[in-house]
Amino acid sequence: EVQVLESGGDLVQPGGSLRLSCAASGFTFSNYAMDWVRQAPGKGLEWVSTISNNGGSTFYADSVKGRFSVSRDNSRNTLFLQMKSLGAEDTAIYYCVKDRGRSGGKVGMDVWGQGTTVTVSS
Amino acid sequence: QSVLTQPPSVSGAPGQRVTISCTGSSSNIGAGYDVHWYQQLPGTAPKLLIYGNNNRPSGVSDRFSGSKSGTSASLAITGLQTEDEADYYCQAYDTSLTVVFGGGTKLTVL
Repeated sequence: EVQVLESGGDLVQPGGSLRLSCAASGFTFSNYAMDWVRQAPGKGLEWVSTISNNGGSTFYADSVKGRFSVSRDNSRNTLFLQMKSLGAEDTAIYYCVKDRGRSGGKVGMDVWGQGTTVTVSS
Repeated sequence: QSVLTQPPSVSGAPGQRVTISCTGSSSNIGAGYDVHWYQQLPGTAPKLLIYGNNNRPSGVSDRFSGSKSGTSASLAITGLQTEDEADYYCQAYDTSLTVVFGGGTKLTVL
């Protein structure tokens, strides 16, 4: 079964850091770009970041650029999102998503995890 | 404010047909990038509903269809069922090298 499973969400204080992980299975991880999409409480979907299949290209939303860093380990079928300087506006469910293509963003996202919750509060 | 504009809500009676619009600009939909649609049932993760403007993944009912013209796209749902009650999002790529979503549309089946 094709699936992705996020972990690492937690309650963190403003200004703090957190690292999310996403374990992929059931597909050839190294063939596909991967995305992070978040959803604040009661709000819509917001794209956060995309990493190409080989990790050579990364892209970020303006709202997280300079604070978040996406990476992947194709030998371990794992995707990461390193987040720093967190603020209340980063409170959301973070979804790990498999892209349908290698470079990401253009051909749709076909496998979504259940999400991991990040709460930024003192 | 989302880059792609969707109506906040639509509604219809069981069996009816509804459409959800998604309006972009010359830097995303109008630039020729495909539009994709996602369905999010209450309390669950989003699911890919339509990709490449009008293609359904395996397992998605043929009651769902998509179209695209110029800087806009539409999702049509025919034969409305109560189980279709959900939030629907459109998504495209942008020339700014970012992925953009619509603000989402809540479908209510009356």
